[in-house]
Amino acid sequence: NAGVMQNPRHLVRRRGQEARLRCSPMKGHSHVYWYRQLPEEGLKFMVYLQKENIIDESGMPKERFSAEFPKEGPSILRIQQVVRGDSAAYFCASSPPEGLGQPQHFGDGTRLSIL
Amino acid sequence: GIQVEQSPPDLILQEGANSTLRCNFSDSVNNLQWFHQNPWGQLINLFYIPSGTKQNGRLSATTVATERYSLLYISSSQTTDSGVYFCAGMTTDSWGKLQFGAGTQVVVTP
Repeated sequence: NAGVMQNPRHLVRRRGQEARLRCSPMKGHSHVYWYRQLPEEGLKFMVYLQKENIIDESGMPKERFSAEFPKEGPSILRIQQVVRGDSAAYFCASSPPEGLGQPQHFGDGTRLSIL
Repeated sequence: GIQVEQSPPDLILQEGANSTLRCNFSDSVNNLQWFHQNPWGQLINLFYIPSGTKQNGRLSATTVATERYSLLYISSSQTTDSGVYFCAGMTTDSWGKLQFGAGTQVVVTP
């Protein structure tokens, strides 16, 4: 299966801990996007990355959140010092490098729960 | 960014019924996608349809780009169609940022 792979599927953290969410894009895709879905809400854009570059992080909270997409390995969304309000489903998507006009393919998400 | 409005917000159907979901955009989009989020939370790609009409089994979608709306048709609904249906669009000014609507919650009863 060459779909977008996210892990872990579920992650439980205590307040103040760090959460690391991983995303491996579809084969051949070089664009990665992260979205957050708070309970009972739609998905909201967080960040758009290409290999080793952050293209648009306008949806990222200014503090505690960071994202990277290194030359080798998966994209990582990192949340430091988690708080209860960070509990949400985090979805990763990827698209091919052909540019505009390409659909985004989504992974199954990581459900983050903060105790 | 663009505003995305979906209607209706909720829909209850009896198995076998047909339905139409609508998505309105405040600006022209060059990327429009429909998704189904199943009760397990998985987000399933249904259509990539910036314009025109597409069909996939009992589902079809039509986008009228000049009038900034898209329709999703569900025919002969089944209980497995239950879940939330989202549309999302992207403009040339917001490359990479899909803007999602609030979704239509669909419940199909036996």
